[in-house]
Amino acid sequence: GESVGLHLPTLSVQEGDNSIINCAYSNSASDYFIWYKQESGKGPQFIIDIRSNMDKRQGQRVTVLLNKTVKHLSLQIAATQPGDSAVYFCAENNAGNMLTFGGGTRLMVKP
Amino acid sequence: DAGITQSPRHKVTETGTPVTLRCHQTENHRYMYWYRQDPGHGLRLIHYSYGVKDTDKGEVSDGYSVSRSKTEDFLLTLESATSSQTSVYFCAISEDRSGGYTFGSGTRLTVV
Repeated sequence: GESVGLHLPTLSVQEGDNSIINCAYSNSASDYFIWYKQESGKGPQFIIDIRSNMDKRQGQRVTVLLNKTVKHLSLQIAATQPGDSAVYFCAENNAGNMLTFGGGTRLMVKP
Repeated sequence: DAGITQSPRHKVTETGTPVTLRCHQTENHRYMYWYRQDPGHGLRLIHYSYGVKDTDKGEVSDGYSVSRSKTEDFLLTLESATSSQTSVYFCAISEDRSGGYTFGSGTRLTVV
């Protein structure tokens, strides 16, 4: 079946550096994508979303890039802070069906 | 999380006993979902509801049942708990099926 996946299970970055978390999706019909952040002991928290008619969307310190040609999604975090340490995972929605979630990437921020 | 509450937050139960987890929302969202989260498996959908008394199975529904008698409450019942059902359970809500979900804080269930 089609699925959402992540390239890197663990990413370690220095505080202040930029972080890039990647996600590959296989369903070309997916039209809505979300990045979630999950801190230890908490539920997933919405970070940013993007629809398939866009290539880029920016939030506060976060940017999501969508490359439909290669079915790739990335989350960029600028000036990574210790509070950014968490598991990040992407999710995709295909034309009103339920979200399909990726397995997650753990981001570790070194002081 | 604002608008969605799960109870209990933690529970330890014995194998073979029934267990009910509760999800309560104040957002008046139509859709509600139950997921379990396990290492190596990510979030897996157990059951979902698209309205009062309207529910359907997800990918890992065996051993679980749900009920939704009111818009605000979605109950997950483990009919006879097994050790394989030790997990963290998350409830989520959404206004429609094309948007994002808001998650609760989770229930950590241990079956001994």
